[in-house]
This record gives sequence, C-alpha cells and structure tokens, in this order.
Amino acid sequence: NAGVTQTPKFRILKIGQSMTLQCTQDMNHNYMYWYRQDPGMGLKLIYYSVGAGITDKGEVPNGYNVSRSTTEDFPLRLELAAPSQTSVYFCASSYWGGTGGSGNTIYFGEGSWLTVV
Amino acid sequence: AQSVAQPEDQVNVAEGNPLTVKCTYSVSGNPYLFWYVQYPNRGLQFLLKYITGDNLVKGSYGFEAEFNKSQTSFHLKKPSALVSDSALYFCAVRAADDYKLSFGAGTTVTVRA
Repeated sequence: NAGVTQTPKFRILKIGQSMTLQCTQDMNHNYMYWYRQDPGMGLKLIYYSVGAGITDKGEVPNGYNVSRSTTEDFPLRLELAAPSQTSVYFCASSYWGGTGGSGNTIYFGEGSWLTVV
Repeated sequence: AQSVAQPEDQVNVAEGNPLTVKCTYSVSGNPYLFWYVQYPNRGLQFLLKYITGDNLVKGSYGFEAEFNKSQTSFHLKKPSALVSDSALYFCAVRAADDYKLSFGAGTTVTVRA
C-alpha cells in the first residue's frame, strides 16, 4: 500500500515558468488536499477536493490551480512561478464519511521541494 | 475560525528525560486534535489523535497526549525521550463538522545524548 505519492521530490523553476506537481493516492479516499509549508509558519491549505470533479480554494490559493478528474489523482498546477512560491508542498488525503464521530486522519505524502529563482 | 498555538519554537531535553511539547487550540464546537511528526526532508507522519472518550490518548513510538477541555490544551508527552525523537512536531485541530485541518507553527525537538 503506497499511500499518498507525490512527484517530483525536488524541482528548481525559473520565474515565469509553469509546472505541475503530481499527487496520487491508493487508499480510495474521497478528500484530497494540497498544503504548503514555510519555515515557522506551519502548513497552509492551498486547495482541497471533496471528490472527483469538485475542488475548492483553501487559505492561500493565489497562483495555483487544481483539478480532480479521478478519485486517485489531484495535481497542483503552478502558473507563472514567482519567488514567493518557493516552498515545500504536501499532498494529503482522508476519508470523510460525514459529520460526527469519524474523526478520520489525514495522511500526507513525502513532500515536493520547490525553488523558484 | 479555528487555530492552534504551539508556544515553544524549540524544546531541548536530555535522552532519558521526560519530553513535553505544548499545544493550545481554539475551535467552535467539539475539537478533533492531532499530532504529527516530521523528520528532515520527509512528510508528516501521524502520531495520535483525540476524538472523544478518554482524555489521555496513546499513540505511536511511546508518545501520548492529554486533552484538557477547560484549558483548551492538547500537550504531547513522552516519559523517556530518545535521540531518535529529534524532529519537528505539529499539533493540528479541526472542528467535528469540518474536514480541514489547521496546523500550529511547529516545535523543533532536540534530544541530546
């Protein structure tokens, strides 16, 4: 069971370039998330998806786009990369069965280190 | 809105001594509380969670955490720290009717031999 898999692990981009961070999960989770981690700031939610075909903005969505065509995949697109997007990106997933006592855990991928120069 | 505070950026302890990492939270309604650990250049690993029931929760690698509703705290503890416990620890909270986690800024734990 691979869990949440992200690629690439490391990437250097030039200002203005675009790229896609890939994320796939094999746990049949309906919810998927993209977070970014900056030093001393914890994790901030970029986008999330509650199921195939449904996505929504998190706390810091500007400069990013997502899509969710299948349950398994949730790619994050960076258009016109800027130095402010230098960060570590984490994809995550969980199963949400509704409100109440499920309390299901969110599981994270290994991260993608992105530097924009 | 929900939020988490981890008041200590760093915690330093000697191997074999007790380890405590502090966390306080703010959330509407009943909280679901989580602790994650991150080793260098790795993703976040789930340690333990409080959903309901016993206020003392036991998790992976000998860690435990105590939920205190009156103090809105969820401190992580380990009776005897190991050098291998050196890592970055995150506390997180979500409301019972929400699916988005809010994270603290993290606490770096260093256990010296």
